[in-house]
Amino acid sequence: KNEVEQSPQNLTAQEGEFITINCSYSVGISALHWLQQHPGGGIVSLFMLSSGKKKHGRLIATINIQEKHSSLHITASHPRDSAVYICAVLTGNQFYFGTGTSLTVIP
Amino acid sequence: AAGVIQSPRHLIKEKRETATLKCYPIPRHDTVYWYQQGPGQDPQFLISFYEKMQSDKGSIPDRFSAQQFSDYHSELNMSSLELGDSALYFCASSLGTGTAYGYTFGSGTRLTVV
Repeated sequence: KNEVEQSPQNLTAQEGEFITINCSYSVGISALHWLQQHPGGGIVSLFMLSSGKKKHGRLIATINIQEKHSSLHITASHPRDSAVYICAVLTGNQFYFGTGTSLTVIP
Repeated sequence: AAGVIQSPRHLIKEKRETATLKCYPIPRHDTVYWYQQGPGQDPQFLISFYEKMQSDKGSIPDRFSAQQFSDYHSELNMSSLELGDSALYFCASSLGTGTAYGYTFGSGTRLTVV
């Protein structure tokens, strides 16, 4: 069983749609990260969360510590949002990563 | 299933020493990415390799170098270590570099410079 589960694994959306990616984890964490990787590129850290909610532009991330669940929302999606989105949790000295959600936004 | 193996798991070095971190990708994966995460900081992309050639470069200091070998494992060499180099270094591997391919992360090497 993976310590971090993401869903969906693949997602195709029309431009302008509201997108939600979910992450559930089974370990105690000090922080949860949402990461983004574009084709051929390195990973960009979008959010680091330990509680509550954060917003940056069209991106919103929430975390519920009691339920061990986090969501990443993209409002008014755009083709440039096409990327792989990864949920990663840090516990002690160890990172646990989800396998990523591949998002394709169609014009 | 085999995962991405990083060694060592923990490393303590003194200032001005050198360190070598190793990353063994999942079998058949040809792409390796290196990241650095300082205490309380977001992960920072350092460098990536595809088919033994550097494919992308991020915020890697000039004191650091890396390479990917014929068996696709990668080594990150760090010289003249500074206290600020203390961080969690993790790598990821994938098959190819496009978003169509999933990728897997190692659990990291914790480097402490004293």
